[in-house]
Amino acid sequence: AQTVTQSQPEMSVQEAETVTLSCTYDTSESNYYLFWYKQPPSRQMILVIRQEAYKQQNATENRFSVNFQKAAKSFSLKISDSQLGDTAMYFCAFMKPRGAQKLVFGQGTRLTINP
Amino acid sequence: DAGITQSPRHKVTETGTPVTLRCHQTENHRYMYWYRQDPGHGLRLIHYSYGVKDTDKGEVSDGYSVSRSKTEDFLLTLESATSSQTSVYFCAISAERGGQETQYFGPGTRLLVL
Repeated sequence: AQTVTQSQPEMSVQEAETVTLSCTYDTSESNYYLFWYKQPPSRQMILVIRQEAYKQQNATENRFSVNFQKAAKSFSLKISDSQLGDTAMYFCAFMKPRGAQKLVFGQGTRLTINP
Repeated sequence: DAGITQSPRHKVTETGTPVTLRCHQTENHRYMYWYRQDPGHGLRLIHYSYGVKDTDKGEVSDGYSVSRSKTEDFLLTLESATSSQTSVYFCAISAERGGQETQYFGPGTRLLVL
């Protein structure tokens, strides 16, 4: 079974700083997908970024980028020029590409951006 | 987004009563999922569906049942609610956007079992 671990329960940074959230996972699969979801106080789950394991290139979406280290089974999220609106819970998630595509989530990291 | 609605959005019920939560989608997606969210656990899969009348168990299925009689609706039932089922429940669908398969979530239902 796959497991996902987020070792930072809470983080706090100043506005405009760069912050990195950590995620490690365990799997015997060679191909899979990894995701970061954001959950603001509204509770809505919002997809931030997606990485396919067979792609060497790290995914980027505007101020959000990942550092995907397949051998180390590490998938960190970097938020550049952080904004107050980035304050949220962030969840790392794993998904196998075949069949029902069930998501396995980490425990989450609560990120606070301070003015 | 992805045209997913959940009802009710909030519910308070008593231990031992049955509860049904509804997930409705408007885009004809094949796969639908029910997750629960609890502090310290992230989201955990309860049940999922891969078509009308086709469902299977997830990681935390005990005490829950599901039904899918139409493509657009996926129902989650707590046969006899317990306090341990107090949680936030999310429905999700799998959708392909830009050639990439991804899950999108509904707004969630907060359930309190007294």
